[in-house]
Amino acid sequence: QVQLQESGPGLVKPSGTLSLTCAVSGGSISSSNWWSWVRQPPGKGLEWIGEIYHSGSTNYNPSLKSRVTISVDKSKNQFSLKLSSVTAADTAVYYCARVLITMVRGVIITGWFDPWGQGTLVTVSS
Amino acid sequence: IQLTQSPSSLSASVGDRVTITCRASQGISSYLAWYQQKPGKAPKLLIYAASTLQSGVPSRFSGSGSGTDFTLTISSLQPEDFATYYCQQLNSHMYTFGQGTKLEIK
Repeated sequence: QVQLQESGPGLVKPSGTLSLTCAVSGGSISSSNWWSWVRQPPGKGLEWIGEIYHSGSTNYNPSLKSRVTISVDKSKNQFSLKLSSVTAADTAVYYCARVLITMVRGVIITGWFDPWGQGTLVTVSS
Repeated sequence: IQLTQSPSSLSASVGDRVTITCRASQGISSYLAWYQQKPGKAPKLLIYAASTLQSGVPSRFSGSGSGTDFTLTISSLQPEDFATYYCQQLNSHMYTFGQGTKLEIK
């Protein structure tokens, strides 16, 4: 089955750029799924960051759009997140997830997150 | 689209029937999912399309609703069900989550 694994620096300096990679195993990133990033500040709720399709098409959370870039590397079966101009408010556990495609009452719906990576904590601090 | 869950926290006992509510700020048809998250772990998809149980999820979990009002019900709480639950909506490739409901042991 598909598994996802995040990797990247656990500490980023304020005003710097956060960079993470999500490696996909057990399946192809060139499948019909979108692939997403979600984050969770310590002790708080979940926030969707953005998603990418293997063609390179992206959708971003409007609140983060000016600082976010998500890219895909089909040769390595992975996708990546870059978040620029980070502050302490960007300290969070960052998850990657597959956007699941389902058939419900004859209608194809995509938009549920499954599976998820284990998550990686990124702290923004000098 | 904003999602508001209630209650924010809930104390219950093993064997209890529990209901969590999620209200959307505008109609979202049946485009709602529920997740379970345990401390230090990634969220787990329980229900999608408001009422469809994800494969492998116990049948004591059920979901209902459409439009703006949705519920997650656990028919008979088990010890492993104590966790935080989130609802999530999708709208034209834009996604938001509710603030979460923490289910604690009484």
